[in-house]
Amino acid sequence: QVTLRESGPALVKPTQTLTLTCSFSGFSLSTSGMCVSWIRQPPGKALEWLGRIDWDEDKFYSTSLKTRLTISKDTSKNQVVLTMTNMDPVDTATYYCARAPLGMDGHSYVDYWGQGTLVTVSS
Amino acid sequence: QSVLTQPPSASATPGQRVTISCSGSSSNIGSNFVYWYQQLPGTAPRLLMYRNDQRPSGVPDRFSGSKSGTSASLAISGLRSEDEAGYYCAAWDDRLSGVMFGGGTQLTVL
Repeated sequence: QVTLRESGPALVKPTQTLTLTCSFSGFSLSTSGMCVSWIRQPPGKALEWLGRIDWDEDKFYSTSLKTRLTISKDTSKNQVVLTMTNMDPVDTATYYCARAPLGMDGHSYVDYWGQGTLVTVSS
Repeated sequence: QSVLTQPPSASATPGQRVTISCSGSSSNIGSNFVYWYQQLPGTAPRLLMYRNDQRPSGVPDRFSGSKSGTSASLAISGLRSEDEAGYYCAAWDDRLSGVMFGGGTQLTVL
C-alpha cells in the first residue's frame, strides 16, 4: 500500500524559507524509474507542479520557481524534502508530495498523492 | 494562465453524459501522454486516467479518455452525484521540461 504524508510548518513569515518533508511507504526511491514530485494548490485555484526528484538523483524544477526551490532525498529514511526560499503571501497553498514513476514515454506521472499540507504565508 | 486550457465549469443532470476538454500544444499534449485527476471537495486529487485512455483499477468504466492531436477529453457517462468534483488534465511539456496542469473544470451534477 502506497502512502505519502507531508509535514512542516503551517505558517511562515514573508521572506522566510519553507521546509517540507514528505515521508512515504509502499515504494522505494532507490528503485529504477521511481520519482517523487511536489505540487501545490492555492486556495480555490488550480494545481501547479513544482518539481521532482528521481531515483538517480536527477532533479527537475518548474521554470518559474527554479531559483527558489531545492528538492533532496534520504532514501534510507524514505523521505523527500522540499525547500522554498523567500516565501511570499502568494505562495500560500496546500502543498502535496506525490509518487511519480516514469511512464512508457519516459516521463513521470503522478499516481499517488499525499493528503497535502496547508502553508500560509503571513506576517 | 495555465499551459493546458480547460473550461472552468461543466454541468449535467444525473444519468447524462458530460465531456471535459483539455487543449494544449505540440510540446505537451501533441507529443506526450495525457493524465486526468479527480479532486473531490476537501480532498487530494486522485488519478483517474493515465496514458490518455487507461483507467487505474477501481475507476468505473463510466469514465473514458481520448486524445487527438493537441487536445484531449474526459467523458463521464451515466453521471452520478458523487462525480461532482474538480477535474484536471496534465501532461509533460518538452519545451518547459515540467508537468503542466490544466486550470481545472468544476463539474456540477444538477
